[in-house]
Amino acid sequence: DQQVKQNSPSLSVQEGRISILNCDYTNSMFDYFLWYKKYPAEGPTFLISISSIKDKNEDGRFTVFLNKSAKHLSLHIVPSQPGDSAVYFCAARGGTSYGKLTFGQGTILTVHP
Amino acid sequence: GAVVSQHPSWVICKSGTSVKIECRSLDFQATTMFWYRQFPKQSLMLMATSNEGSKATYEQGVEKDKFLINHASLTLSTLTVTSAHPEDSSFYICSAGRGSTDTQYFGPGTRLTVL
Repeated sequence: DQQVKQNSPSLSVQEGRISILNCDYTNSMFDYFLWYKKYPAEGPTFLISISSIKDKNEDGRFTVFLNKSAKHLSLHIVPSQPGDSAVYFCAARGGTSYGKLTFGQGTILTVHP
Repeated sequence: GAVVSQHPSWVICKSGTSVKIECRSLDFQATTMFWYRQFPKQSLMLMATSNEGSKATYEQGVEKDKFLINHASLTLSTLTVTSAHPEDSSFYICSAGRGSTDTQYFGPGTRLTVL
């Protein structure tokens, strides 16, 4: 039962353009969503989060959008840089899980110079 | 930000031996820590929730007698893989937050290889 899904296993973008990473979820009890960036053999690095009471949160080049009715969130990176190349995971938290995160499968982002 | 460390970063052991992995929150106290494992090209799967001063809560399908978790202080949780077998080879990652609803910060991970 995959409650958090990232349907695109990979995304390739030109430097300077926008990267849009998508995530869908099924559990309506989720009330907090996070995006993490991960390099191979390293732990995930927190990027940005959003509460379910909001529909947008922005931090520098990173913006997360939440569409609760569609149970969909997206991460926008603009402008994209080659250093952004990594695996991006969305994660969700909520209900009675006491902080437990449920992760999507990840999307490999490659930003070409 | 919050810093979480793990030790060791990698370990190779023989089948049948036990391996202990430490997770420390360096600049904050964590009443709750989480242990994940990640197989190659797969997502992070939560194994258990480590609660300071009480028993860990294990996810369905995770053997609590095989993966022993101890959260002896507000800055340290340990995961011991007992009688390790090759199928236990994986990347183990811990995370911690200041509270149960705080953003989780992850350690750098431990690569376990069981021969």
